[in-house]
Amino acid sequence: DGGITQSPKYLFRKEGQNVTLSCEQNLNHDAMYWYRQDPGQGLRLIYYSQIVNDFQKGDIAEGYSVSREKKESFPLTVTSAQKNPTAFYLCASRNHGGEQFFGPGTRLTVL
Amino acid sequence: AQKITQTQPGMFVQEKEAVTLDCTYDTSDQSYGLFWYKQPSSGEMIFLIYQGSYDEQNATEGRYSLNFQKARKSANLVISASQLGDSAMYFCAMREGSKGNAGNMLTFGGGTRLMVKP
Repeated sequence: DGGITQSPKYLFRKEGQNVTLSCEQNLNHDAMYWYRQDPGQGLRLIYYSQIVNDFQKGDIAEGYSVSREKKESFPLTVTSAQKNPTAFYLCASRNHGGEQFFGPGTRLTVL
Repeated sequence: AQKITQTQPGMFVQEKEAVTLDCTYDTSDQSYGLFWYKQPSSGEMIFLIYQGSYDEQNATEGRYSLNFQKARKSANLVISASQLGDSAMYFCAMREGSKGNAGNMLTFGGGTRLMVKP
């Protein structure tokens, strides 16, 4: 089945550690996105990538980094520079019609 | 200024009744798109319906319809015959610019929590 997978579903991090969230899609979409969602709020864009080996900062990129070495994969690293990383992270990919399809999300908690 | 405004933080609706979730937007672009997503407690975002700014007819998808009033810059979601499984957060989102440019990302509203009463 085609879709977007994110792993892990839950992630716990100690302060000062970097962690990487996985996002994989087999929809053959060129564009991929990372969003952050805080409790009771909407989604905010962290980074996006339109093609392989290219990515752009979104509204809240500070403390995060990404790579896009393969079309199917767009991992997000939450670095120690992100002061308040506890949140729900959603990855999405976009079809040619402009619709974004989301993965199931990763819930990150800093201990 | 907020680009997407959802003024109803929470709403109740009786099972089998219709409900309207409000969404207003702000853009100076002529070409844009409006989306509604459902987010159940599991967290995934489920695409429901899309309306392009040049679409003359209101979009419909099963029990979902989008009441698009361009002059008022509103894009309300109407759910007919509510079901218990409709209880979730609902987000309105806008893409400014043409759909062909992946750099035209989505901006989300703050969401409305819908609770369907049996």
